[in-house]
Amino acid sequence: DVVMTQSPLSLPVTLGQPASISCRSSQSLLYSDGNTYLNWFQQRPGQSPRRLIYKVSNRASGVPDRFSGSGSGTDFTLKISRVEAEDIGIYYCMQGTHWPPVTFGQGTRLEIK
Amino acid sequence: QVHLVESGGGVVQPGRPLRLSCEASGYTFSSYGMHWIRQAPGKGLEWVAVIWFDGSKTYYADSVRGRFTIARDDSENTLYLQMNRLTADDTAVYYCVRDSGVQGPELDYWGQGTLVIVSS
Repeated sequence: DVVMTQSPLSLPVTLGQPASISCRSSQSLLYSDGNTYLNWFQQRPGQSPRRLIYKVSNRASGVPDRFSGSGSGTDFTLKISRVEAEDIGIYYCMQGTHWPPVTFGQGTRLEIK
Repeated sequence: QVHLVESGGGVVQPGRPLRLSCEASGYTFSSYGMHWIRQAPGKGLEWVAVIWFDGSKTYYADSVRGRFTIARDDSENTLYLQMNRLTADDTAVYYCVRDSGVQGPELDYWGQGTLVIVSS
């Protein structure tokens, strides 16, 4: 199974400042169809996960443009240009290239400094 | 709008069975694959199972294969997860998730989850 490793696991941030989360996979996530099935999810406290980014860099419907995804192969990044209070929660990367099984990173907790 | 509502969770003794349901609305249920994903208390997300849009294929995580069965009833717009021989390790919130992907899974809508506690 593909192992997804996120860093850091905890990210204290100041409101209005940028934040960046790294996700690395144990194998390349480039699929034979040319797509890379790497997703990012946000889980706010007490809520279900919500999809933020699909196929590395595509924002899901309703996701603010302060969120962006990038990367290729085995290295991926989620960036928040200016953190707002509503962004607090846990962020997960997920791969869907080598599936089943779908595999998730351990999660990164974004908190206010 | 897409709505997924899980039910059937609760406290169950080790070794006993439990069936979860997920009622879908707001879209054509029969056109989408569906997953179950779980989250143990204070832990991360763990994929459990998937069923193809037409029910032709099902896949399971190693941790549940042979004990859990995913199924769907398109006439009732409902997804199921039959869980047998439950253990404490199965304690988690179970989410029903829609898959809008064609090749790779695109987990675009999640239910609110239903909590399963396996305890004597």
